[in-house]
Amino acid sequence: EDKVVQSPLSLVVHEGDTVTLNCSYEVTNFRSLLWYKQEKKAPTFLFMLTSSGIEKKSGRLSSILDKKELSSILNITATQTGDSAIYLCAVEYGGSQGNLIFGKGTKLSVKP
Amino acid sequence: ETGVTQSPTHLIKTRGQQVTLRCSSQSGHNTVSWYQQALGQGPQFIFQYYREEENGRGNFPPRFSGLQFPNYSSELNVNALELDDSALYLCASSLANRDRGEQYFGPGTRLTVT
Repeated sequence: EDKVVQSPLSLVVHEGDTVTLNCSYEVTNFRSLLWYKQEKKAPTFLFMLTSSGIEKKSGRLSSILDKKELSSILNITATQTGDSAIYLCAVEYGGSQGNLIFGKGTKLSVKP
Repeated sequence: ETGVTQSPTHLIKTRGQQVTLRCSSQSGHNTVSWYQQALGQGPQFIFQYYREEENGRGNFPPRFSGLQFPNYSSELNVNALELDDSALYLCASSLANRDRGEQYFGPGTRLTVT
């Protein structure tokens, strides 16, 4: 059965800390791995990763995919209270368009 | 904010009733996917529509059905509602392209079944 597993499920840090969120997957016909941030309702797109070993970066956030280990990490440096959210990992699989299978998410709380 | 809109934002229904949720995709996007997100869980894929036809379906019973219209907007219909159908229903639009997996989500419809 296809699955995506995220860890930890929740995390509490203080402002300025660096955090690493993990995502591992087992799917058939892998196409890409995506990270989303969900604050209230709509998940907002962060990164899409298709190639192993190439880091994607946006400000304090970065992510990398390891296809050999079937995993990805999302790093957030110098965390701020505005980073508090649920971070979702999803894997796109299947045919020409692909569908998404999501993990349960990591709930990050950043304390002042 | 993405250009994806959903209506209504909240809805309360009684077990056994039927419900229709609506989604307008981002301009230029021709593919719409629907997800169910129960509390504390990640979104679960219901189905996807591309050019008005179902283009993939997750593990949901036939009482979950959908439509896509020529302007690429979409509806999700759920018949014979059950208590477990209470969830946030998200739609996401994307552009059918072999190289892109980005989907842009709407704000969701919160459905409560009593």
